[in-house]
Amino acid sequence: QKEVEQDPGPLSVPEGAIVSLNCTYSNSAFQYFMWYRQYSRKGPELLMYTYSSGNKEDGRFTAQVDKSSKYISLFIRDSQPSDSATYLCAMSDPANYGQNFVFGPGTRLSVLP
Amino acid sequence: EPEVTQTPSHQVTQMGQEVILRCVPISNHLYFYWYRQILGQKVEFLVSFYNNEISEKSEIFDDQFSVERPDGSNFTLKIRSTKLEDSAMYFCASSAGRNTEAFFGQGTRLTVV
Repeated sequence: QKEVEQDPGPLSVPEGAIVSLNCTYSNSAFQYFMWYRQYSRKGPELLMYTYSSGNKEDGRFTAQVDKSSKYISLFIRDSQPSDSATYLCAMSDPANYGQNFVFGPGTRLSVLP
Repeated sequence: EPEVTQTPSHQVTQMGQEVILRCVPISNHLYFYWYRQILGQKVEFLVSFYNNEISEKSEIFDDQFSVERPDGSNFTLKIRSTKLEDSAMYFCASSAGRNTEAFFGQGTRLTVV
């Protein structure tokens, strides 16, 4: 089983739709969870950073973490064509001295005008 | 807004040559990282660096790779003898402290011919 898995996509939605992006993971030691947006041939851009279970909202973005199910989600409200990108989840184990972040393979999102 | 900067944006090198990829992390950050992303694949951890030493490295980070913080601002990744399979995007990242979010640079695209 891969350590972090994401819905493969690509996902196409109409402008204005609510988008749900998800990751599952196998390592129960992960406590910190991040969502990044990556445009083609660019660096990952941090969107959300959450600790343990619960919800966090920032503008049109909401991150949810369910540690009991080892499942995290990113919701995008009122999606825009500029949201078209690959979305990466990443997570880390706080006990890991090196603090490496483990990434999922990414979900490609297209928001159609 | 502070950002991680990387140079060059694109580097073409011949197999067997040495390359140095350069990064300027965010100024008050203490943890530094290198990740790579082979085209079409996921972002993979290479190495983390804290307090002037490597804190963790992956299996990818073999003896051909080295990192250095030569002064108070730069963080470099050296590949001593490049191979074709080293062709990838290389991302530098930094974070302010333990268990805090990591910010990524725009990457250096390394092409080995």
